[in-house]
Amino acid sequence: AQSVTQLGSHVSVSEGALVLLRCNYSSSVPPYLFWYVQYPNQGLQLLLKYTSAATLVKGINGFEAEFKKSETSFHLTKPSAHMSDAAEYFCAVTLGKGGKLLFGQGTELSVKP
Amino acid sequence: GAGVSQSPRYKVAKRGQDVALRCDPISGHVSLFWYQQALGQGPEFLTYFQNEAQLDKSGLPSDRFFAERPEGSVSTLKIQRTQQEDSAVYLCASSSRDNPGDTQYFGPGTRLTVL
Repeated sequence: AQSVTQLGSHVSVSEGALVLLRCNYSSSVPPYLFWYVQYPNQGLQLLLKYTSAATLVKGINGFEAEFKKSETSFHLTKPSAHMSDAAEYFCAVTLGKGGKLLFGQGTELSVKP
Repeated sequence: GAGVSQSPRYKVAKRGQDVALRCDPISGHVSLFWYQQALGQGPEFLTYFQNEAQLDKSGLPSDRFFAERPEGSVSTLKIQRTQQEDSAVYLCASSSRDNPGDTQYFGPGTRLTVL
């Protein structure tokens, strides 16, 4: 069965510091992988996705993620955190033909001034 | 352009009442998904439509949950005889095609509170 694990339910960084949010997946087939961000009382917004093209994927707001098949990981990074990055981040993998998403538990990112 | 909209944004129901949650997907989008997000959790899949056909309803937690998309556009998620454990945010998403790599665009959600 496929699964998505996000290590760390809460990550806190200082403004300007590196952001690293971890995501590991298990999948019996090559996966499609997504990172979404959720601000309070809002829906989810796509940050970036991996669909078997380049392994290093660049997204919006300066975020990027690298697909590492050998490590079954798809960690999200940003070189320099901004206060506006404070939000909940979800990693997800596609299940089946229709494209329904299996989400991780989420990581809440706090950014300290 | 207009994104996915959901109504109502907030719904309070007494236990045992029926509720109906509406989703207006992006115009022309083929696929429509419903997810349930409990407090502090990631969204969980409920059901999926390709146009008007409900192709997957494996995530619906009980037969009290029913979804429809009769004309392949607007969708309604109905919950009968609501229970406290139904309290959650219900998210709707749509995508332009029926491809697992396609981006799903999410609405703001409906927060359901069952008293």
